[in-house]
Amino acid sequence: EPEVTQTPSHQVTQMGQEVILRCVPISNHLYFYWYRQILGQKVEFLVSFYNNEISEKSEIFDDQFSVERPDGSNFTLKIRSTKLEDSAMYFCASSESGGLGELFFGEGSRLTVL
Amino acid sequence: KQEVTQIPAALSVPEGENLVLNCSFTDSAIYNLQWFRQDPGKGLTSLLLIQSSQREQTSGRLNASLDKSSGRSTLYIAASQPGDSATYLCAGGPGGNDMRFGAGTRLTVKP
Repeated sequence: EPEVTQTPSHQVTQMGQEVILRCVPISNHLYFYWYRQILGQKVEFLVSFYNNEISEKSEIFDDQFSVERPDGSNFTLKIRSTKLEDSAMYFCASSESGGLGELFFGEGSRLTVL
Repeated sequence: KQEVTQIPAALSVPEGENLVLNCSFTDSAIYNLQWFRQDPGKGLTSLLLIQSSQREQTSGRLNASLDKSSGRSTLYIAASQPGDSATYLCAGGPGGNDMRFGAGTRLTVKP
């Protein structure tokens, strides 16, 4: 069964360092998302991406964050200068038909900022 | 702004029991309602999606309903098994891409 894959599964970084989290969405999906879940809190929307551009973003997704689809299969989330409060599980998701369709999530990348 | 609430926060039942998990949302202009399962430290597994024009969806022992007028969705699990133990999340979207999640119901099914 097709699945969303994410790497790394766990990354530890020092405050102020840049981090790139990688995702391979399901191959025929056209809409891509990043969500995050701080330990013990709700899953929160960060950004959606369609047709090589951001379609929506939340107030969390500030200038420290960026997304990119560098090739036909990968979708990345970059955090430019990590802060302690960026420590969370980051989930990539994809959908065949955007807001109309079912969201499929990856296993997540746990980011720990020291 | 859509707010999603799930009650109860935790539920413990003996194996074989039928159970209902509740999800309520503040904005009836919800378009999709999706139920997920999350095992500890893992990702979200999609269980059921109910689109705006639908009232319920079924998959195996799971049945989810959506009542937009009352702002509620329920997930019914029949004949619960220990393997059903997990956190169940509901998420609603306004038709855009920003799905709002509830905090989840942590289910324990005791053998």
